[in-house]
Amino acid sequence: AQRVTQPEKLLSVFKGAPVELKCNYSYSGSPELFWYVQYSRQRLQLLLRHISRESIKGFTADLNKGETSFHLKKPFAQEEDSAMYYCALRDLYSGGGADGLTFGKGTHLIIQP
Amino acid sequence: DTGVSQDPRHKITKRGQNVTFRCDPISEHNRLYWYRQTLGQGPEFLTYFQNEAQLEKSRLLSDRFSAERPKGSFSTLEIQRTEQGDSAMYLCASSLDWPARYEQYFGPGTRLTVT
Repeated sequence: AQRVTQPEKLLSVFKGAPVELKCNYSYSGSPELFWYVQYSRQRLQLLLRHISRESIKGFTADLNKGETSFHLKKPFAQEEDSAMYYCALRDLYSGGGADGLTFGKGTHLIIQP
Repeated sequence: DTGVSQDPRHKITKRGQNVTFRCDPISEHNRLYWYRQTLGQGPEFLTYFQNEAQLEKSRLLSDRFSAERPKGSFSTLEIQRTEQGDSAMYLCASSLDWPARYEQYFGPGTRLTVT
């Protein structure tokens, strides 16, 4: 069974401070990991995926298979980063079989001025 | 195309009634997903379609739930004999197929309240 754990329901940091949103997963297969973000009054949208190895809006995340983690980091938080962040997982090689995403419960990030 | 749309945005119904939600995906997307999200939880996967074929159903999709995508375009999710525990946000998402498949674009959701 797949499981995604986000241990912090709420994370509050000051503008300009570093941010780290934690995500741990449990999966016996080959996982593909994602971070989704939901800004206030907006729909859920993809922030980044581990395969792309991109930096989006200053955020990065590295898949650590040894620690089964995919933490989201940003060196200098901005007020517009305030949002709900969800970590999600799917099977990398599902090939049309099991394709649904398994989400964590989310972390509400608040950036204080 | 303005993205994935869902109708209605809000639905209040009495326990025991049937409800039906509609999802219109992004036009060129052949994969369509349904999720349910309750307060304080992340979205939970319910089912997905590739074109008109329903390829996967979660154990969360009880016998009272049925989803269709008859022509491989829009989809409907019906809940029969609603229960208070069905109160949730129902999210629809769509994506392209392999190999460029993996961004799921989400709709705004339908909030169901069962009284």
